[in-house]
Amino acid sequence: DGGITQSPKYLFRKEGQNVTLSCEQNLNHDAMYWYRQDPGQGLRLIYYSQIVNDFQKGDIAEGYSVSREKKESFPLTVTSAQKNPTAFYLCASSTAGYNEQFFGPGTRLTVL
Amino acid sequence: SQQGEEDPQALSIQEGENATMNCSYKTSINNLQWYRQNSGRGLVHLILIRSNEREKHSGRLRVTLDTSKKSSSLLITASRAADTASYFCATAFLNAGGTSYGKLTFGQGTILTVHP
Repeated sequence: DGGITQSPKYLFRKEGQNVTLSCEQNLNHDAMYWYRQDPGQGLRLIYYSQIVNDFQKGDIAEGYSVSREKKESFPLTVTSAQKNPTAFYLCASSTAGYNEQFFGPGTRLTVL
Repeated sequence: SQQGEEDPQALSIQEGENATMNCSYKTSINNLQWYRQNSGRGLVHLILIRSNEREKHSGRLRVTLDTSKKSSSLLITASRAADTASYFCATAFLNAGGTSYGKLTFGQGTILTVHP
């Protein structure tokens, strides 16, 4: 089955810890994206990557880091510098260009 | 700031009725897309309308785009309880410098509740 997966589904973190959220796709998409969603809100773009070994900051990149070493994978690290990390994180992928995005099921991060 | 703004924020209707959601944006776009999100889940793409298109249909969905007014509407006809979800518009805006290529800007969404 082709698709995009995220793990874990739920993640709990203590303050001061870094955590890494996984995102994998087997759709052969060049572009991948990370979004943050807060309750009752739309999606805000954290980072995006249009091609392997390249990525750009989105609208709210502070306190986050990413890597794109493989086409299939785009992990997101939430660092201790992120002041309010509790949120729902969504990963997406698409073919190059202004095309539809395919979303993973999301990871809900809670900071204790 | 988010480019798309949606109206209404919440909509409650009975099964069989039509549901209309509106989206406004601020700058020139390549296309506008509508997505659906069930509670606690990822988003699902519904329909994409390009800037040179005025209307598009997909099953019970009808999307219109008015680039002169920078607005779009999503109509769901003969709604069902299973249509209950949040609906988001997303704009792929044009940037001559290419730095926003492929990026989408999402609105805050309309929460649709369809009562059986």
